[in-house]
Amino acid sequence: GAGVSQSPRYKVAKRGQDVALRCDPISGHVSLFWYQQALGQGPEFLTYFQNEAQLDKSGLPSDRFFAERPEGSVSTLKIQRTQQEDSAVYLCASRGGRYTEAFFGQGTRLTVV
Amino acid sequence: DQQVKQNSPSLSVQEGRISILNCDYTNSMFDYFLWYKKYPAEGPTFLISISSIKDKNEDGRFTVFLNKSAKHLSLHIVPSQPGDSAVYFCAARSGSEKLVFGKGTKLTVNP
Repeated sequence: GAGVSQSPRYKVAKRGQDVALRCDPISGHVSLFWYQQALGQGPEFLTYFQNEAQLDKSGLPSDRFFAERPEGSVSTLKIQRTQQEDSAVYLCASRGGRYTEAFFGQGTRLTVV
Repeated sequence: DQQVKQNSPSLSVQEGRISILNCDYTNSMFDYFLWYKKYPAEGPTFLISISSIKDKNEDGRFTVFLNKSAKHLSLHIVPSQPGDSAVYFCAARSGSEKLVFGKGTKLTVNP
């Protein structure tokens, strides 16, 4: 596709429910990132993949958060037993090379009620 | 601790004038800096970047200045246009791959 695609655009989950957020990066982009953006804040790093390898997951806030990219293309961010503080916009970005910019998707707005 | 700070939550300028958005950072290991623009309900869009070996980078109406000794960078938009109204995020990166973002500055350009 032409850009980074994320689905769903909006997700409402009941507290305790598991959710899965999908990211389709730009074709051929090796690097893929997940960020979390709370209301009124800047995006905060969650995790980074190079191809299928998860090289940095230092930003994942708890073990309820899990990300995968099994074939080095599409990535899924899974949140288990969602809590209200998980409500945020989850942004995915992909990048082709080290000194090129990262392209962001439109994000998935997660609301936990 | 916030490594990238945008101390002005909002800025309002008249169309045709200069917009100056400021950003301060604390981590001297940052070697690459970027500005992103974000419209409501959209993801951030890359605007301009600068490597730490430079002190200025220009792209059309947009210029980024980097003052390493002051750990400060700024984005100048000249002339400002109403379509520039958006939230602007400053971001920085060190040897790792992740970007560290500021909280953003909401720019409003009045016709």
